[in-house]
Amino acid sequence: EAGVVQSPRYKIIEKKQPVAFWCNPISGHNTLYWYRQNLGQGPELLIRYENEEAVDDSQLPKDRFSAERLKGVDSTLKIQPAELGDSAVYLCASSSRGLAEGHYNEQFFGPGTRLTVL
Amino acid sequence: AQRVTQPEKLLSVFKGAPVELKCNYSYSGSPELFWYVQYSRQRLQLLLRHISRESIKGFTADLNKGETSFHLKKPFAQEEDSAMYYCALSGSGNTGKLIFGQGTTLQVKP
Repeated sequence: EAGVVQSPRYKIIEKKQPVAFWCNPISGHNTLYWYRQNLGQGPELLIRYENEEAVDDSQLPKDRFSAERLKGVDSTLKIQPAELGDSAVYLCASSSRGLAEGHYNEQFFGPGTRLTVL
Repeated sequence: AQRVTQPEKLLSVFKGAPVELKCNYSYSGSPELFWYVQYSRQRLQLLLRHISRESIKGFTADLNKGETSFHLKKPFAQEEDSAMYYCALSGSGNTGKLIFGQGTTLQVKP
């Protein structure tokens, strides 16, 4: 199994341009996460999906960031327009729901997309 | 506020020496604690979680609620342990949201 797949792996754009990242989670995983990792920091959650529903987007800068998870499988994260401070690694992760209510299993991470905004 | 602190950016030890990667957390309820590891050119992956109470690759971590710590330990470091280690917290009620520390680079010298 390939695990969580992300593309592109690297992206260089100029500020004010739009950019989109794609994620394909592990088959059967209903929970999908997008994290942003700034240089020298740990990942920070941007948005979490349960199937196709965004259940936690409190950390997503909604003025320029948007995300969707159509059909509850693949997901796309978009930035429009990009700013210099958006340069970071964008990680996608997925997990299956645990047996108990509110219990979540291990999160499996993708390789990330390294975004550079010039 | 929920927070995870890893005070050391870099920990450098010689092969065979004991290792302790420090992690302190701030959370008012009953959190679940994890250690994630990222080896060079590999993706972030789970190393261990406190509820499992198991040893993975010789590493152990004990949750100390009194000191709000979850330090990662290994008695004898190996060169293949060199990696970036992240401590993470998931709050009670478990939203699935992980809060990560800043990470510690472990460098094991031959």
